[in-house]
Amino acid sequence: AQKVTQAQTEISVVEKEDVTLDCVYETRDTTYYLFWYKQPPSGELVFLIRRNSFDEQNEISGRYSWNFQKSTSSFNFTITASQVVDSAVYFCALSEDMDSGYSTLTFGKGTMLLVSP
Amino acid sequence: DTEVTQTPKHLVMGMTNKKSLKCEQHMGHRAMYWYKQKAKKPPELMFVYSYEKLSINESVPSRFSPECPNSSLLNLHLHALQPEDSALYLCASSQVTGDTGELFFGEGSRLTVL
Repeated sequence: AQKVTQAQTEISVVEKEDVTLDCVYETRDTTYYLFWYKQPPSGELVFLIRRNSFDEQNEISGRYSWNFQKSTSSFNFTITASQVVDSAVYFCALSEDMDSGYSTLTFGKGTMLLVSP
Repeated sequence: DTEVTQTPKHLVMGMTNKKSLKCEQHMGHRAMYWYKQKAKKPPELMFVYSYEKLSINESVPSRFSPECPNSSLLNLHLHALQPEDSALYLCASSQVTGDTGELFFGEGSRLTVL
């Protein structure tokens, strides 16, 4: 069975601090996909990144960066120079191969990030 | 702006009412999903439609009845709900081919059952 663990329930930082959100996953599949979603207070889940199991390259997008390490089954997310607008709940999710024609996401419990001015 | 549109954004209903949640997408996605999210919890999958056919029903009570009238629309019909059904209901869509896998979510319909 698939499982995603986000051990940090809530993180509070002051603006401009760097913050890392941890994600550890479990799966028996050799092909799988990892995601990060952001959920602001408005409720919409905003897609941030997808990484497949064969691509261990780290990725940087502006202030966001992701560190994927298969050896430790981790897919951590770092926000550099955090801003108040980054305040949200962040979900890490895992999906198996899409041979079935749809994607069944297994979500972690989420990490609430509070960035204060 | 989200490309998955959900209406209404807020809904208050009594336990004897019949109401519907609606979801629309125009991205050409052929997989559509309903998720339920309680406060401070992750989304939980309820239903999946693939090519307008119900592919997954995660043991959801029959008071929730999904419908996919065409490839762009997904409805969730509600009848005789309980107060514990109060939650944020999220619709999502995705491609069914290729290896993308990402779901695009709407803003959700926040349901309160009195």
